[in-house]
Amino acid sequence: DAGVIQSPRHEVTEMGQEVTLRCKPISGHNSLFWYRQTMMRGLELLIYFNNNVPIDDSGMPEDRFSAKMPNASFSTLKIQPSEPRDSAVYFCASNLAGTTKETQYFGPGTRLLVL
Amino acid sequence: DAKTTQPPSMDCAEGRAANLPCNHSTISGNEYVYWYRQIHSQGPQYIIHGLKNNETNEMASLIITEDRKSSTLILPHATLRDTAVYYCIVRAYNTDKLIFGTGTRLQVFP
Repeated sequence: DAGVIQSPRHEVTEMGQEVTLRCKPISGHNSLFWYRQTMMRGLELLIYFNNNVPIDDSGMPEDRFSAKMPNASFSTLKIQPSEPRDSAVYFCASNLAGTTKETQYFGPGTRLLVL
Repeated sequence: DAKTTQPPSMDCAEGRAANLPCNHSTISGNEYVYWYRQIHSQGPQYIIHGLKNNETNEMASLIITEDRKSSTLILPHATLRDTAVYYCIVRAYNTDKLIFGTGTRLQVFP
């Protein structure tokens, strides 16, 4: 299995630009999670989906952030407009919810730098 | 979810057992103890989880005290590749959310 795939792996953009991060979960998994990691705040859960439906978006910082999951094999996290404080590593994870061994599998992350 | 307390850092000699403690004194009866680790610049990696019995897998052992207020992750023969931040997380069985704390930075030295 290829594991969770994220793209791009690195992104450098200027303040005010739109940024789109992409994630392909492990085939067959039905839950998908977006996390953000910074030195100051550590690893934070932003939003998660179950069966393509957003379940909890309480961690989404503000209206500039939006996430979608149009189908079981693809999700996007969009930041518009981006700001320097959005610089972080963004991780996507997936799991098979409702099983006896629900472990989240993380992707390699997207390193975002907003100048 | 119950909060966890871990030491910020620990050292371990290569080949020796690494014992990483975690305090979760407010854990509820339906909450599991999960351990993940994050090797530098990589995504977190699942290690092991348990409810009240001790657990062992190919990576580690998890010892949970009888009152479930604390646990210890044991890496039986630490290697340099085990250098990472180790997170202890308490998660209710009916939620998918994992709340990561600050973890323990384990440094394995030669």
